[in-house]
Parts: sequence; C-alpha cells; structure tokens
Amino acid sequence: EAGVTQFPSHSVIEKGQTVTLRCDPISGHDNLYWYRRVMGKEIKFLLHFVKESKQDESGMPNNRFLAERTGGTYSTLKVQPAELEDSGVYFCASSTLGGVDTEAFFGQGTRLTVV
Amino acid sequence: AQSVAQPEDQVNVAEGNPLTVKCTYSVSGNPYLFWYVQYPNRGLQFLLKYITGDNLVKGSYGFEAEFNKSQTSFHLKKPSALVSDSALYFCAVRDKAYSSASKIIFGSGTRLSIRP
Repeated sequence: EAGVTQFPSHSVIEKGQTVTLRCDPISGHDNLYWYRRVMGKEIKFLLHFVKESKQDESGMPNNRFLAERTGGTYSTLKVQPAELEDSGVYFCASSTLGGVDTEAFFGQGTRLTVV
Repeated sequence: AQSVAQPEDQVNVAEGNPLTVKCTYSVSGNPYLFWYVQYPNRGLQFLLKYITGDNLVKGSYGFEAEFNKSQTSFHLKKPSALVSDSALYFCAVRDKAYSSASKIIFGSGTRLSIRP
C-alpha cells in the first residue's frame, strides 16, 4: 500500500513567485492535514480537511496561503506570493475517520526555500 | 489549550547506553500522547502512543515511553541505543478528546545523536 506522497520534495523559488505543493493521501483516508516546520522550531498545524471540506484552517498564517482538496482525494497548498518567512518543510498527513487514537501517517515533506 | 514541551534540543548518547528523550505535556482532560521520529530525508514515522491503560507503552524499534500523570511527563526511552537511532524525535498530543477531527500538536523536536 502506498503511503502519503508529497511533490515536489524540494522547491527553491524567489520571493514574490508562486509555488504549489501537492499531497496524495493514503487511499480511503478522509482526514488530511497540512503542517509546517520552520527551521529548528516545532511542527505547526496549518489546516485540516475532512474529505473535501475544511474542518479547521486556524493555522493558516495569512491569505497568501490557499489549500484545496477537490473531490476529497489529493490536496494542494498554494503560496502566492511567497515571502522569505514561508521557507520551511511542509508536511502532509492523512488518517481514517476514527477515535482519538487514530494514527496519522505523514509524507516525507516538501522543503520550500524562498530566496 | 493542549501543548507539549521538549526541553532538550539535542541529546547525545554513546551506543549501547540507555537513552531518554524528555517530554512534558499540558492538557485539559485526558491526554492522548504520541511520539514520532524523523530519519534523515524521510517523513515522520509513528513510534508509539498512550491513550489509556498501562503507563509503560512499548513501540517500534525497541522504544518505550512512560506516562507519568503526577509529573505530566511522557519521556521516550530505550535500554540500549543504536547508531541507527540517530534522528529527530517529536512528542505530540491530540488537541480534542472526543474526535478524530482533532489535530495533532507537536513539540519542537529533539535531535538524538548516538556516537559509536
């Protein structure tokens, strides 16, 4: 069974450009999460989809970030326009709909560098 | 609000020695605690979890964690460290008690370095 896959693995863009990150969750997982880790700090929650609906987007830093999950399958996270402070590793995770002990499976992350 | 704290940025241990990676938590209600590990160039991998039951939880790769309610701690341990255990370790907690719609809240991570 394929795990959570993220594309690209690395991206280097200039300030002001647009970048789109993609996450393919494990098939059948209705929960999909986006997280970000800025260098040396904690992994911070960005948002949570249940199927195609945004359950919680309280962690989205500002309106330069737009996440979508059309059809409840893969998800994209667009940053437009990118700023230097957006650099970091963006993780996607997915899980089934279950109890609080439900394990979330993470992708390998996309390392975004804004220069 | 639920939170976890990892007081050590880095832990250095000699191979074969026991290791401990510390984590303390702050929750309202029952804690639902996790440990994840990130190996170089890999995604986060689940190690173990505490939901209810025995205070000593066993997980993958020979790791275990001890839940201590009085000290609000959930330290990760291993009796004998391997060089291959060198990685970044994250303690985490679920933020809502009654729903898988809850999100996982992570600590800042501890880099574990095992020297041969």
